[in-house]
Amino acid sequence: DSGVTQTPKHLITATGQRVTLRCSPRSGDLSVYWYQQSLDQGLQFLIQYYNGEERAKGNILERFSAQQFPDLHSELNLSSLELGDSALYFCASSVASGGGYGYTFGSGTRLTV
Amino acid sequence: GESVGLHLPTLSVQEGDNSIINCAYSNSASDYFIWYKQESGKGPQFIIDIRSNMDKRQGQRVTVLLNKTVKHLSLQIAATQPGDSAVYFCAENIRSNTGKLIFGQGTTLQVKP
Repeated sequence: DSGVTQTPKHLITATGQRVTLRCSPRSGDLSVYWYQQSLDQGLQFLIQYYNGEERAKGNILERFSAQQFPDLHSELNLSSLELGDSALYFCASSVASGGGYGYTFGSGTRLTV
Repeated sequence: GESVGLHLPTLSVQEGDNSIINCAYSNSASDYFIWYKQESGKGPQFIIDIRSNMDKRQGQRVTVLLNKTVKHLSLQIAATQPGDSAVYFCAENIRSNTGKLIFGQGTTLQVKP
């Protein structure tokens, strides 16, 4: 157990639907990162939150959004789902807002559209 | 553009031999690098990291070498074991920036008994 908890582990849905992925960071970590892993793209950074505020944004689609709550857990919302959104979605956490420190990954949510 | 590339998609080694996995990075401003191991169905697991003010760092059975002149990173695994079979990713980070990691495509390590 890495200390980063992601739910659900598996999610099967249909095109056009909306889903929410949840992440609880490791105790003491203030930053949460979301990554998408697909077969042809590898691990792609989506977005980072630090202590409730958006810190960095990657190539995240407009149909996707995220937020970090006061208890530091984060949710990634995916809407108007397309077949190409099928992927593994990983959450990671770290103690700081900037880089240079270790990151701990969760075990991921496998989304099938 | 932003990219961290791996030279070989698959590496096959005999059990007990040493393994070397290579990685090229493109961003000269990157000053923190991490190697991750990912087993099937699991999230990336931290192996070892190195900062740009170092050229070598050793862990248990693993060594990371950093050559900033040619922007090259390598992971050496001593006495490779069947449990080392996995996909290995290198990742880079600009420490003074955000915690965003840029991942390479990954190298699959296969250990033959």
